[in-house]
Amino acid sequence: GAVVSQHPSRVICKSGTSVKIECRSLDFQATTMFWYRQFPKQSLMLMATSNEGSKATYEQGVEKDKFLINHASLTLSTLTVTSAHPEDSSFYICSAGLEAGTYNEQFFGPGTRLTVL
Amino acid sequence: AQSVSQHNHHVILSEAASLELGCNYSYGGTVNLFWYVQYPGQHLQLLLKYFSGDPLVKGIKGFEAEFIKSKFSFNLRKPSVQWSDTAEYFCAVNAGGGYNKLIFGAGTRLAVHP
Repeated sequence: GAVVSQHPSRVICKSGTSVKIECRSLDFQATTMFWYRQFPKQSLMLMATSNEGSKATYEQGVEKDKFLINHASLTLSTLTVTSAHPEDSSFYICSAGLEAGTYNEQFFGPGTRLTVL
Repeated sequence: AQSVSQHNHHVILSEAASLELGCNYSYGGTVNLFWYVQYPGQHLQLLLKYFSGDPLVKGIKGFEAEFIKSKFSFNLRKPSVQWSDTAEYFCAVNAGGGYNKLIFGAGTRLAVHP
């Protein structure tokens, strides 16, 4: 149980275009989903936290107009990288929170590798 | 601000050697602590977690970790590693907040040679 999927797994796009990444919790409902970015040989950096039906909470330094997050249902959150540039190339990982008592245990998706040419 | 430090960035061991990966965090309040593993080409998986109670926690695949509050540490250990343990290991801390967000360490890349 507690499986999280991401689509696509890899995407290559031209500079200036927008890319949408989907994150789905397959066998549970997630009121909270998280989006991370992982640079090569570095750790995961939290970009934003999204709650179903409300606006996402962005971490300091993350441009909300560039990284649009929508959490329209309890099983789906999307991250749209708008007007992508080469510096946005990275590995994007989502996680979905499953309530375990007072804590939302996070289950991670397999990630999406974005390459902007 | 909360932070997590992993002191070993790259560890190379032979099979059957013992493993200890260091993790220290900075936060004065109650924390939940985690170790995640990322095998090559795979997604992050939870190895073990500490919420409260016995500070020595056991996880999957023979891993364990000890929470030492006075040292702000949560080191990961395994008495005898296998080649299949080759992976990247991340320590993470949840220091409360509205949405239970995790702060990750930089990761330790472990290579186990047969």
